[in-house]
Amino acid sequence: GESVGLHLPTLSVQEGDNSIINCAYSNSASDYFIWYKQESGKGPQFIIDIRSNMDKRQGQRVTVLLNKTVKHLSLQIAATQPGDSAVYFCAENNYGQNFVFGPGTRLSVLP
Amino acid sequence: GAVVSQHPSRVICKSGTSVKIECRSLDFQATTMFWYRQFPKQSLMLMATSNEGSKATYEQGVEKDKFLINHASLTLSTLTVTSAHPEDSSFYICSARDNRGLDEQFFGPGTRLTVL
Repeated sequence: GESVGLHLPTLSVQEGDNSIINCAYSNSASDYFIWYKQESGKGPQFIIDIRSNMDKRQGQRVTVLLNKTVKHLSLQIAATQPGDSAVYFCAENNYGQNFVFGPGTRLSVLP
Repeated sequence: GAVVSQHPSRVICKSGTSVKIECRSLDFQATTMFWYRQFPKQSLMLMATSNEGSKATYEQGVEKDKFLINHASLTLSTLTVTSAHPEDSSFYICSARDNRGLDEQFFGPGTRLTVL
């Protein structure tokens, strides 16, 4: 389940299950969103992006959903694997300005 | 393609010394690069936007005289942490935006700075 507090929110899932990571963004004018994966001691790695004129985009094993009404973004990972364990950040961008990152969620895949 | 490198990957220095971190776009040109700082278990915080051939734009609360940024070419930006103190210890990450107009930013692997 999820936990929020002094530490990074953590989502624990069983290997093979689907994962859903949520993100609330702040700027209603943001028009471009990216999900990044960050492994310990490494820089962020692009996963999938979506523009504000879409509400869903699918990649390989990943799907991003955008709900502009409530400024909510989610990342769905199908058949979660141990290699998916990492911290996931959503980032919003407003017409080419710099990206603003969300607080991040740690995904822990249980064997 | 779209690879960004950083050097060094890890540096340990004494308090009071200055440290330079390089960010290079290896296979594309980047007029704009970004420098982020990330403390343990926290998100990336933008420090400054580096613009080739002009002065960097610093975010509120970031001291420009302490964090010197030089973007001398379309493939290289440097961040110098001057008179480093233990509180400057952090993970510094750069990103670069491709001049071909792509919105995505490509991130470097990060530099771990430890100030003793």
